[in-house]
Amino acid sequence: GNSVTQMEGPVTLSEEAFLTINCTYTATGYPSLFWYVQYPGEGLQLLLKATKADDKGSNKGFEATYRKETTSFHLEKGSVQVSDSAVYFCALSAVNTGFQKLVFGTGTRLLVSP
Amino acid sequence: NAGVTQTPKFQVLKTGQSMTLQCAQDMNHNSMYWYRQDPGMGLRLIYYSASEGTTDKGEVPNGYNVSRLNKREFSLRLESAAPSQTSVYFCASSMGQGGVQETQYFGPGTRLLVL
Repeated sequence: GNSVTQMEGPVTLSEEAFLTINCTYTATGYPSLFWYVQYPGEGLQLLLKATKADDKGSNKGFEATYRKETTSFHLEKGSVQVSDSAVYFCALSAVNTGFQKLVFGTGTRLLVSP
Repeated sequence: NAGVTQTPKFQVLKTGQSMTLQCAQDMNHNSMYWYRQDPGMGLRLIYYSASEGTTDKGEVPNGYNVSRLNKREFSLRLESAAPSQTSVYFCASSMGQGGVQETQYFGPGTRLLVL
């Protein structure tokens, strides 16, 4: 079946440090890949997505590249800010029985200190 | 636009009680979803609705029922609450008919505690 594996958290960084959150997936067919972010007390919101192999999604300084050969979609940011502290979810979307099903990873909490 | 709204924000129930979680979206989206979020497990799909008048089971439907009242509203009902249903519940919507590239938009969540 389809599944997503994310690195365990929390990830603790100082402001302006480089961020990598690893995500690998297992899927049949050609899924779309997403990163969603959940800020404290809020629902999830889309951060970025990629819909085919070698696509790069980017938003707010975050980037992730869809790597089919390594089945990975790692999230990176060159210089994190305190305001980036949140929980980050990697997800894949695969069509089963003709309808999108989002499969989420367990989430990685990022804590950024000044 | 308010986006996706959910009520209530927080609820405490006793085992065996019933309740309905309400969700509404004002984006004219066709598809709506209910998820639960548990520690260490990410989000899991309970039910979804591809269009007004249709609903289908997701990964963890047992103990729940849903109603797609109209295009805007999608409610989740717990007929007889159990402690295992203690969780945070999120409603989401997407524009189309559930295509693989669609973005889902989430509400702020309902935190439910079943004693």
